[in-house]
Amino acid sequence: RKEVEQDPGPFNVPEGATVAFNCTYSNSASQSFFWYRQDCRKEPKLLMSVYSSGNEDGRFTAQLNRASQYISLLIRDSKLSDSATYLCVVMVGNNDMRFGAGTRLTVKP
Amino acid sequence: DTAVSQTPKYLVTQMGNDKSIKCEQNLGHDTMYWYKQDSKKFLKIMFSYNNKELIINETVPNRFSPKSPDKAHLNLHINSLELGDSAVYFCASSQDWEAPFFGPGTRLTVL
Repeated sequence: RKEVEQDPGPFNVPEGATVAFNCTYSNSASQSFFWYRQDCRKEPKLLMSVYSSGNEDGRFTAQLNRASQYISLLIRDSKLSDSATYLCVVMVGNNDMRFGAGTRLTVKP
Repeated sequence: DTAVSQTPKYLVTQMGNDKSIKCEQNLGHDTMYWYKQDSKKFLKIMFSYNNKELIINETVPNRFSPKSPDKAHLNLHINSLELGDSAVYFCASSQDWEAPFFGPGTRLTVL
């Protein structure tokens, strides 16, 4: 089983749609969780951290379910500029960050 | 005010050559990483260093040798380059359990 698994997509959605990504992780001792965004030919950039209580940042909502070992990202009212690859990142130990394969999102007019 | 910088941005070289990629961070972080992103876009950890000490060496061929002269720098030297080494190499840094920052990447092409 991979350490961090994501549905690679692609997800093709119209503007204004709501889209959700899930990610599962295998190491129950993992402590920190993040969603990153990567645009074509660019470096990954932090979108948001994921907290146990769930957290929201504008149109983005992240959830963590430790019992089931998955995290999710919900994007509401999708914009064209949301088109990117979304990477699930799990810190399985201090100094040890593991990435999912990424989920590609394309938002169309 | 670049937080994590890498040089060079592009590197094109012949098989069998030896090359180095440099990384510097000005964030005061204790931990630095090298990641490889291949043509399938999967980001795979190669090494992590904490305060100049090697913490993770993720079954990378010994042709790859990281060096950390101080905690702000982590360089990657690659000997006897092979076609399969072609990829984008990202340097990153972090502190404790916080989210890491990435450099802009070095696109290596081996001909």
